[in-house]
Amino acid sequence: DIQMTQSPSSLSASVGDRVTITCRTSQNIASYLNWFQQKPGKAPQLLIYAASSLQSGVPSRFSGSGSGTDFTLAINSLQPEDIATYYCQQSYGTPRTFGGGTKVEI
Amino acid sequence: QVTLKESGPVLVKPTETLTLTCSVSGFSLSNPRMGVSWIRQPPGKALEWLAHIFLIDEESYSTSLKNRLTISKDTSKSQVVLTMTNMDPVDTGTYYCARMFFYGAVDAFDVWGQGTMVTVSS
Repeated sequence: DIQMTQSPSSLSASVGDRVTITCRTSQNIASYLNWFQQKPGKAPQLLIYAASSLQSGVPSRFSGSGSGTDFTLAINSLQPEDIATYYCQQSYGTPRTFGGGTKVEI
Repeated sequence: QVTLKESGPVLVKPTETLTLTCSVSGFSLSNPRMGVSWIRQPPGKALEWLAHIFLIDEESYSTSLKNRLTISKDTSKSQVVLTMTNMDPVDTGTYYCARMFFYGAVDAFDVWGQGTMVTVSS
């Protein structure tokens, strides 16, 4: 199985800050990497697919980058509504796997 | 509008078999660019992918759970069913179904159901 390691596991930032979350995979997955946002009590929502493509309807302050084994999710100008847990997930191989999550607080 | 909705028991006893149904609307399960996955989340913990099904009979399972899981679909009913045998309290959590959408070669879970909470307890 492809292992997914996210860091940090949690972070605290201020409104307006730029926040970055990293995801490292145990093998090269090219750009087969997706990012999700999960707010408390809600189902996850797709933010970024294929490492850097913004899902329709997602604010442009979210961006993704990386390829191979190292990936980054960035939130430019953190907003109060961005408080959530963020997960990376690989779609390179089966079984599909998720990272352990990064909880973002203000 | 694409929607997915999970249904099944709220409470199951240890050793019992869990059967969950995902009813979809707004897309066809016969569409080659789409599939359905099951994902679960124990309380306060991370997401765990369980299984997926797409095309006619392309199925895949979690390595650690593959001996306990079966996924199937009824295209005419627009339903995907997941069964998990020999349930244990550690299987307690919220179970989600999600649509797999193929953006070219990459697939992603673009629409999720609301989730259904399953508790395993005697």
